[in-house]
Amino acid sequence: AQRVTQPEKLLSVFKGAPVELKCNYSYSGSPELFWYVQYSRQRLQLLLRHISRESIKGFTADLNKGETSFHLKKPFAQEEDSAMYYCALRSKAAGNKLTFGGGTRVLVKP
Amino acid sequence: NAGVTQTPKFRILKIGQSMTLQCTQDMNHNYMYWYRQDPGMGLKLIYYSVGAGITDKGEVPNGYNVSRSTTEDFPLRLELAAPSQTSVYFCASSIWTDTGELFFGEGSRLTVL
Repeated sequence: AQRVTQPEKLLSVFKGAPVELKCNYSYSGSPELFWYVQYSRQRLQLLLRHISRESIKGFTADLNKGETSFHLKKPFAQEEDSAMYYCALRSKAAGNKLTFGGGTRVLVKP
Repeated sequence: NAGVTQTPKFRILKIGQSMTLQCTQDMNHNYMYWYRQDPGMGLKLIYYSVGAGITDKGEVPNGYNVSRSTTEDFPLRLELAAPSQTSVYFCASSIWTDTGELFFGEGSRLTVL
C-alpha cells in the first residue's frame, strides 16, 4: 500500500529564513509526487509536481528515490507562504488516485 | 468558470439523520473525487468516479454512497450520520489525461451531534 508521511505538523520560521517541509513516502513502484497548498480562505491547489522539475513561487522539491523523500524547500520564506502544505503521491497501480500526507502548517513570522 | 462547487458549506446533523453533499463542476472533467479531511490526518479518499455511470470505493467508503448520473454532478450521500463522520469534505475533479492536478471545491464542514 502506498503511504505519505509528513512528520512536521507545524513549522514556524521568520521571514527571510529558509524553510524545508519534509515528505517521505512508501511505494514499491515508480511514484509521481506532488505538493498541494491551501492558503487561508482559499481552495486546496497544486503547487508543484516532481515530473515538471519546476520552481513555483520560489519553492523547489527533489524526488530522492533512494531515501523515498520529496522535501519542499524555499531559501527565503515570505509571509505570504503561510499556509497548509500537503504532499501527495499518485500511482497507476492505485488507479491514478492521489494519496495525501497529513499536512504541514507553515507560519512565517515577520 | 465556477470550477468545482460544493453545497452546503456548513451543516450540523443529529445522529441517524441523512443528508447529501452536492458537488458540481463545469470544466467537463471526467474524474471526480470525494475526500474527507480530519485534523492531522490529511485527506482520505471516500469515493471516486472516472466518468458518468462509473463509481468506485476509495480508502474510507463505509457509511457513504455516491452516484454519477452526469459528467457534472457527483453527490455524496450519508445515510445514517454518526459522530465519526464529523469532518470537512472536499470534492475534486481532474481531466481525462489526468496530469495529477486535482481541482478542489471549497469544502463542506459537517458536524454530527
